[in-house]
Amino acid sequence: SQQGEEDPQALSIQEGENATMNCSYKTSINNLQWYRQNSGRGLVHLILIRSNEREKHSGRLRVTLDTSKKSSSLLITASRAADTASYFCATARGLFYNFNKFYFGSGTKLNVKP
Amino acid sequence: KAGVTQTPRYLIKTRGQQVTLSCSPISGHRSVSWYQQTPGQGLQFLFEYFSETQRNKGNFPGRFSGRQFSNSRSEMNVSTLELGDSALYLCASSLEQANTIYFGEGSWLTVV
Repeated sequence: SQQGEEDPQALSIQEGENATMNCSYKTSINNLQWYRQNSGRGLVHLILIRSNEREKHSGRLRVTLDTSKKSSSLLITASRAADTASYFCATARGLFYNFNKFYFGSGTKLNVKP
Repeated sequence: KAGVTQTPRYLIKTRGQQVTLSCSPISGHRSVSWYQQTPGQGLQFLFEYFSETQRNKGNFPGRFSGRQFSNSRSEMNVSTLELGDSALYLCASSLEQANTIYFGEGSWLTVV
């Protein structure tokens, strides 16, 4: 079963606007990651944030993590048409290495209109 | 460096048949994991292999199996196919004890 839920399920914005996606999860985690998936393709790793971190940046991406609320957000600034994709959060349960057993959320489908 | 390679990319099988999917990890990656993606259930973990040993397994029936070879390449097999097995099967590889996994493009399986 899925560990997390992304919100919103779908998001449509204009090029140049910011896009914010949220992810909630249910159990204690070791880390949380965000992945992007273009239609029908494999997943591309975007960013990892550890449970002891609150915020992380990578280029136009900003991820926050609130372990007390069991939630994370992904902000994409100055969006581009090429950002159109589905975005998933993935969590690793527990405090120890989990042999790559990740739990994925249901995904947010982002559409960036040119 | 070449990414994770999965073959075949697309295949169609009939109910009751079996299928074998192949995955070549990124060079130097010894951990290979498999995921199933469907519209209804989303992405679900199947199993993970390291040094030819299955170290972790998801909640799938015994019809789903896998193996890893000494060169870290991996195969997964689904026997007695059911319509519900239609999905995108994704393979991912990583370094030992790494937190980030790198996915291939997936194998689209359609069961008719």
